[in-house]
Order: sequence, then C-alpha cells, then structure tokens
Amino acid sequence: DAKTTQPPSMDCAEGRAANLPCNHSTISGNEYVYWYRQIHSQGPQYIIHGLKNNETNEMASLIITEDRKSSTLILPHATLRDTAVYYCIVRAGLTGANSKLTFGKGITLSVRP
Amino acid sequence: DTEVTQTPKHLVMGMTNKKSLKCEQHMGHRAMYWYKQKAKKPPELMFVYSYEKLSINESVPSRFSPECPNSSLLNLHLHALQPEDSALYLCASSQEARRFGTDTQYFGPGTRLTVL
Repeated sequence: DAKTTQPPSMDCAEGRAANLPCNHSTISGNEYVYWYRQIHSQGPQYIIHGLKNNETNEMASLIITEDRKSSTLILPHATLRDTAVYYCIVRAGLTGANSKLTFGKGITLSVRP
Repeated sequence: DTEVTQTPKHLVMGMTNKKSLKCEQHMGHRAMYWYKQKAKKPPELMFVYSYEKLSINESVPSRFSPECPNSSLLNLHLHALQPEDSALYLCASSQEARRFGTDTQYFGPGTRLTVL
C-alpha cells in the first residue's frame, strides 16, 4: 500500500471548519483513501473513504485532488468531541481479507473552546 | 447498526495465566480482525479471518492464538504472555464484500490488557 504523510498535529476553534491534510503522492489507480479517527482510549471510528471523486457524509467531507496525490478531510463545524487522532490510510481496493488497513502516525486534532 | 463488542474491557493477568479475549458482531460480516495497539502508537494488524478461516497471520508469536468459532464470534487466547504484550487489543469486522474497494472495517472499543 502507498504511504501517507500527515502533519503531527493541528488545532482549530470550536464551531469552525477543521481541514486535515494528507499527502499520498505514490497512490496507485486502484487505491482508495480512507479516514478513521480515534478518540482517546477508544477504538478507531470510520469516517469516510473515496477513490477520486469528492465524498460527503453526515460526519465529514473528503476532497481529493485531481491527480489524487493529496486529500483533505473537512469537519465543517468542529466540536470539542472531535478532538482525536485522525488517520489517513491508502488502501488497495480489494476484499477485506486481502486488503490490509495499515495505520500511520496520524494527525492529532485539538479543538479549542 | 455498526457495533462490534469486546469483552472484557480491562484484563490484568500474570505471565503464567491463560486468558481469552472475546469479540462479537451481529452485522453479518464475514471478515474479522485482531489488532494490537501499544501506547501512543497506531494499531497494528495481527490476524485476519475470512469466512471463519484464518487468512492472514502477521508473524504473531504463538502465545497469541486466535479462534473463530462462528461468523459472529472471534476469540484471542492468551498464554504465557510477557509484560511487553501489555496493550489495547482491538477487534474489527467487515462485510468481506466481493465488490471492489467497499470493505470498510468497523472497530470495537478494545480490551486494555496489562501483563504483570
């Protein structure tokens, strides 16, 4: 699987949009971009994934650049409960048993009041 | 519902003990996973089961023994562990969809294991 690069940390004010960047310059055509987050001492929580089109769900939006070498996760109105480690993962588009989810170091998002 | 449950939440064991971790899901998923997460590190894959058969073992020491008795249950049997095995053990499941790229993993809350 291609590697990802994320800044180690960032913060944002409560109520503002949080834009979390991820670089994946070696991504190949059949690899998806997945985002998970992990709130302290809990299990990772799935947020969103995409291949090449922008995606939106009730939690977040995922913007993937046209060359697919980077992406941004957007939390539109960050709350204190969004403070967590956010993992950007590039993963081959295969069935579960053949497609490993390899976590990097992630980015720690701190939402301040 | 995307719930994966794990028991116990916390476990303390000695190096000579035998214990088991349990994971359960009722989403009809056919792939189940064990991950290990040390403090301040990302989760690392240990085992993958697909349709109740072990499909991936990431060179995990034999003191960790996984078992998948049916499609809803996944166990991790522990024996003769070392203090460095203390970690958060996470279970996950996914549909094992046959379609390209749609196999999202859903995680349980984890079992916090301390080996004395």
